[in-house]
Amino acid sequence: DGGITQSPKYLFRKEGQNVTLSCEQNLNHDAMYWYRQDPGQGLRLIYYSQIVNDFQKGDIAEGYSVSREKKESFPLTVTSAQKNPTAFYLCASSIGGAGVLETQYFGPGTRLLVL
Amino acid sequence: GEDVEQSLFLSVREGDSSVINCTYTDSSSTYLYWYKQEPGAGLQLLTYIFSNMDMKQDQRLTVLLNKKDKHLSLRIADTQTGDSAIYFCAERDSNYQLIWGAGTKLIIKP
Repeated sequence: DGGITQSPKYLFRKEGQNVTLSCEQNLNHDAMYWYRQDPGQGLRLIYYSQIVNDFQKGDIAEGYSVSREKKESFPLTVTSAQKNPTAFYLCASSIGGAGVLETQYFGPGTRLLVL
Repeated sequence: GEDVEQSLFLSVREGDSSVINCTYTDSSSTYLYWYKQEPGAGLQLLTYIFSNMDMKQDQRLTVLLNKKDKHLSLRIADTQTGDSAIYFCAERDSNYQLIWGAGTKLIIKP
């Protein structure tokens, strides 16, 4: 049963703490994405990766970091430098490669709350 | 920069048709998408349309594209309570990234 999983569903962060959100996919997709969703706003791209061991900053990368050591996994770390981390975080993947229909498939999301 | 705009709310009666509208600015868009998000969940792709098409129909869903006016709409026929969700419009830009609207919350009245 192919899909994208994100964990945990809810995550609490204390001031000054780094936290890592997990994203795993078994769709054999090359491209993976992290978005942040705030109420009343569209999705904003944090980071994306078109291939293993390579990733690019999106529109709001400051205060976040990622790694892409395996095709299946694209973890996102919210660092203490991110001053307003409370949001719903969505991971997505797509087949990858320019010129093809780049339909993105989404995980169920992780809600991050600051204590 | 590129922008996608949607109304934030739409309220319809159960059984009526819902029409959710979206405007975009990037004339080089190749694909336009509609995604559905139910409360507390991720986004689910509903349908997409290629920019050289005017219309696409899939069961209760009809997508209309007016490329001249850069206007996209999603019509849901016979709206049911299960259609209650936030609907996002997105366009694929020339860099192959998705530009997202803020989402339209569809409210169903009994």
